[in-house]
Amino acid sequence: DIQMTQTPSSMPASLGERVTISCRASQGISNYLNWYQQKPDGTIKPLIYYTSNLQSGVPSRFSGSGSGTDYSLTISSLEPEDFAMYYCQQYDSSPWTFGGGTKLELK
Amino acid sequence: EVQLVESGGGLVQPGASLKLSCVASGFTFSDYWMSWVRQTPGKTMEWIGDIKYDGSYTNYAPSLKNRFTISRDNAKSTLYLQMSNVRSEDTATYYCTRAGIHTMGITFDYWGQGVMVTVSS
Repeated sequence: DIQMTQTPSSMPASLGERVTISCRASQGISNYLNWYQQKPDGTIKPLIYYTSNLQSGVPSRFSGSGSGTDYSLTISSLEPEDFAMYYCQQYDSSPWTFGGGTKLELK
Repeated sequence: EVQLVESGGGLVQPGASLKLSCVASGFTFSDYWMSWVRQTPGKTMEWIGDIKYDGSYTNYAPSLKNRFTISRDNAKSTLYLQMSNVRSEDTATYYCTRAGIHTMGITFDYWGQGVMVTVSS
């Protein structure tokens, strides 16, 4: 199985701040990397697919990048609704696996 | 509007069986692969498996394939997860997801609200 290591596990941040969450795969995943957001009420929605492509309706302050084994999610300027959990997920090879999650908290 | 509504969770004893259901609406269910994903109390996400749009093929996480079975009834727009010989480590929130297949792969593009399963004596 491909292991996905996400850092940091929690991140205090302020409104308007730029933040980056990292995700490292145990082997190359050829950009087959998705990002998801989970709100405190449990609602989960996809943000980015294939490393850097925004899902429909996702604000442009979200962006993704990376290649090989290293990927990242950046939020350019935090809004109140962005304080949530974030997960990366690889779909290069089955079983599809997730990172451990990053909790973005208000500082 | 796409909706996925899970049911069938609750408290179950170790070694017992349990069947979860997920009723889909707002899209043509028989056109899509579907998946189950679970989240442990510690917030770890684990993909369980998926099923082809016509039910002819399933794919599971190796650690679960001997105890979990995914099926579907396209006439009822319903996805199922049969869990057998449950263990304490199966305690989790179980999510039904739609697997959106696009030119660049697969995304779990819609998720249900989740259903809790607690395994305890």
